[in-house]
Amino acid sequence: SAVISQKPSRDICQRGTSLTIQCQVDSQVTMMFWYRQQPGQSLTLIATANQGSEATYESGFVIDKFPISRPNLTFSTLTVSNLSPEDSSIYLCSVSTATNEKLFFGSGTQLSVL
Amino acid sequence: LAKTTQPISMDSYEGQEVNITCSHNNIATNDYITWYQQFPSQGPRFIIQGYKTKVTNEVASLFIPADRKSSTLSLPRVSLSDTAVYYCLVGDGRGKLIFGQGTELSVKP
Repeated sequence: SAVISQKPSRDICQRGTSLTIQCQVDSQVTMMFWYRQQPGQSLTLIATANQGSEATYESGFVIDKFPISRPNLTFSTLTVSNLSPEDSSIYLCSVSTATNEKLFFGSGTQLSVL
Repeated sequence: LAKTTQPISMDSYEGQEVNITCSHNNIATNDYITWYQQFPSQGPRFIIQGYKTKVTNEVASLFIPADRKSSTLSLPRVSLSDTAVYYCLVGDGRGKLIFGQGTELSVKP
């Protein structure tokens, strides 16, 4: 298993600013992902965080809005840029430690944009 | 990636067995089937995973027929604390998983 620490747990931000979310894992992992969960909805995959290279984004998500870093095998950040109220969601970091797709999730970051 | 279809919601009473069925008609040969549970304000939590036939662990059983086009999560003797959203996912081991709508299970006293 993997223990994931995600910070901050929640934040309230002003329109037009940015928020950077950190994801720290207690062991090296092969795959790291960022998801968004809008109120009352399922999870939507934003991107796969690739170690040492640019993230792979899903349709509808772009690097300028959601820049991602992954400098090593235990850490990643997601920045949500130029915030608008529509960005108010829970953002979740997840990791996979093997190829059998058992995902472990952080507790999420609750973002509210005023 | 295979798409999954589940009932949007289910109701049950404490002590009953709950079976949630997931349809995944275009599952690929290398795909595993995995179920997650999510409580409000928490990230999803792994419940069980299988490839074929039956898998059982301390919290649930997973039944997968021979054609693997569906799967059934079985929760024995549910309690109020099992009220949550349950997600069925399939994937080919590359790690990328797409969540469907999930099934909102409500357990009543």
